Amino acid sequence: NAGVTQTPKFRVLKTGQSMTLLCAQDMNHEYMYWYRQDPGMGLRLIHYSVGEGTTAKGEVPDGYNVSRLKKQNFLLGLESAAPSQTSVYFCASGSGGSYNEQFFGPGTRLTVL
Amino acid sequence: GENVEQHPSTLSVQEGDSAVIKCTYSDSASNYFPWYKQELGKRPQLIIDIRSNVGEKKDQRIAVTLNKTAKHFSLHITETQPEDSAVYFCAASIRGGSQGNLIFGKGTKLSVKP
Repeated sequence: NAGVTQTPKFRVLKTGQSMTLLCAQDMNHEYMYWYRQDPGMGLRLIHYSVGEGTTAKGEVPDGYNVSRLKKQNFLLGLESAAPSQTSVYFCASGSGGSYNEQFFGPGTRLTVL
Repeated sequence: GENVEQHPSTLSVQEGDSAVIKCTYSDSASNYFPWYKQELGKRPQLIIDIRSNVGEKKDQRIAVTLNKTAKHFSLHITETQPEDSAVYFCAASIRGGSQGNLIFGKGTKLSVKP
């Protein structure tokens, strides 16, 4: 099993450009998450999904959109990138039960110039 | 909503010494407290977790304690080794639905000096 995978691994954008980050999991998890990690700020939840076709806002959703058309995939979109969105983005998945262990992908390092 | 505070932000110890990282949480309904380790340039990985019906859990050199009354939990690493150097995150989760999300502390950078 590959677990949780993310593409791309690195990306450089110019301000105003758009892009989509792809997360895929092969563990049949219902729950999927997108986090951003900035120095000294820990992991902050952007958006999450509790099942195929559902999405919800997390702690820092502004400037991002998500879609969960298939259970195994969770897409994070930036419509008009800003330098403040320079960060490392992690996707995670979990079973969502009472004790929700989350499994993380390898991360995407995004730089917005 | 839930808030998790983690201390210290950095910790330096000599190899063989013990390291302790402490976290506090705000929501008394929280029932699951995992700890993640993140090595430089890598993904966070679960190293140990504790549920609210347990006061302590051990796994070799790592232990976690939970004090529900005081709403704090701690990670203890004994006989530290250079490979323990990493950033450690605590988190708290609430049962079910959107409340099953993890709220993370801001992390502790542990350095183990040989």
